[in-house]
Amino acid sequence: ETGVTQTPRHLVMGMTNKKSLKCEQHLGHNAMYWYKQSAKKPLELMFVYSLEERVENNSVPSRFSPECPNSSHLFLHLHTLQPEDSALYLCASSQDRRGSDTQYFGPGTRLTVL
Amino acid sequence: QKEVEQDPGPLSVPEGAIVSLNCTYSNSAFQYFMWYRQYSRKGPELLMYTYSSGNKEDGRFTAQVDKSSKYISLFIRDSQPSDSATYLCAMSYNTNAGKSTFGDGTTLTVKP
Repeated sequence: ETGVTQTPRHLVMGMTNKKSLKCEQHLGHNAMYWYKQSAKKPLELMFVYSLEERVENNSVPSRFSPECPNSSHLFLHLHTLQPEDSALYLCASSQDRRGSDTQYFGPGTRLTVL
Repeated sequence: QKEVEQDPGPLSVPEGAIVSLNCTYSNSAFQYFMWYRQYSRKGPELLMYTYSSGNKEDGRFTAQVDKSSKYISLFIRDSQPSDSATYLCAMSYNTNAGKSTFGDGTTLTVKP
């Protein structure tokens, strides 16, 4: 297991539910990321946080709402999702946001929206 | 056109074979090149990291970057069944954007 943990590992929810995904990094990194990974598609960057400040939002629908209370924790709040939102949601962290800083990924949350 | 194109696969080889995984890219501003390995139901893990052109070797793995051709490769020697996974290439700029552009991934199966 890496220094990035995610819970839950699996989540099934209805379109009217509200749920949250949690990510925690134990690496002392300053930047954290949410990615969406769908079958046969490249990783899609959703949000970037640097020192708890959101620095990038890649046109993600408002039904996804991130929260970064401190540099070690990142949440993704979900509400009124659609079936096409079913995917593997990956959290990652890096030391900073330099291009030379490699990202370390968590195991992901497998989300199924019914 | 995608910024990063990766050989689609899937790729199936016998144990012991040499495997070549490849990506091409269009943006010459990329400076850092990574290969990630992703096992089924797991997150990607960093396998190799190189800066600019050249080769880097780590055990049975060799990463090769040719910036003039905008082409990167990952070679696996003496492939093992435990190498069966999806391999993702990724690349990033030398900026504070802090993000990488990923290929679609190539799924490799090494048969005993």
